[in-house]
Amino acid sequence: AQSVSQHNHHVILSEAASLELGCNYSYGGTVNLFWYVQYPGQHLQLLLKYFSGDPLVKGIKGFEAEFIKSKFSFNLRKPSVQWSDTAEYFCAVNRAAGNKLTFGGGTRVLVKP
Amino acid sequence: DTEVTQTPKHLVMGMTNKKSLKCEQHMGHRAMYWYKQKAKKPPELMFVYSYEKLSINESVPSRFSPECPNSSLLNLHLHALQPEDSALYLCASSQNRDSHTDTQYFGPGTRLTVL
Repeated sequence: AQSVSQHNHHVILSEAASLELGCNYSYGGTVNLFWYVQYPGQHLQLLLKYFSGDPLVKGIKGFEAEFIKSKFSFNLRKPSVQWSDTAEYFCAVNRAAGNKLTFGGGTRVLVKP
Repeated sequence: DTEVTQTPKHLVMGMTNKKSLKCEQHMGHRAMYWYKQKAKKPPELMFVYSYEKLSINESVPSRFSPECPNSSLLNLHLHALQPEDSALYLCASSQNRDSHTDTQYFGPGTRLTVL
């Protein structure tokens, strides 16, 4: 069974700091990769996704992620965070075709103003 | 428009009650999903409907009964729930479950409390 690991459970940083959240998955076949964000009191929103092609993916709100196949990783980055980026971030993986999404445990990010 | 709506937003029920959660999407998506999310945990898949047919049941207890009346609607019928079933229930939809590039879009959830 596939599994998804997010290394940090909690991250605290100041505005304008850079953010990088780690995500590793265990499945060896072709996968689709996603990052979702859940702002306080709001629903899960798609930040970005990778299906194929350029391993550096740009998403909404200045986020990007890099797929490194050899490391089974899909890390999320933002060069300069804002207070409004305070949220929980979930990495998710599904096998290409089949769409059974498996989520990582989530990382709670707190950005101090 | 990538909106999935869910009603009610909040639901409190007793262990002997029967209630239903509703989910609706008008994006023409043909796959719909129910997830359960406990506090400080990731969403866990419960059911998948593809073209109005149940295609995945993740060993969910029978006190949860899904229904897909048409391609836009998804219900979750609840009966004889336990307090540990209290959680946020999320609905999602995607264009086509078997598509290589399918993406799930989530609703705001129903926060369920079982007393």
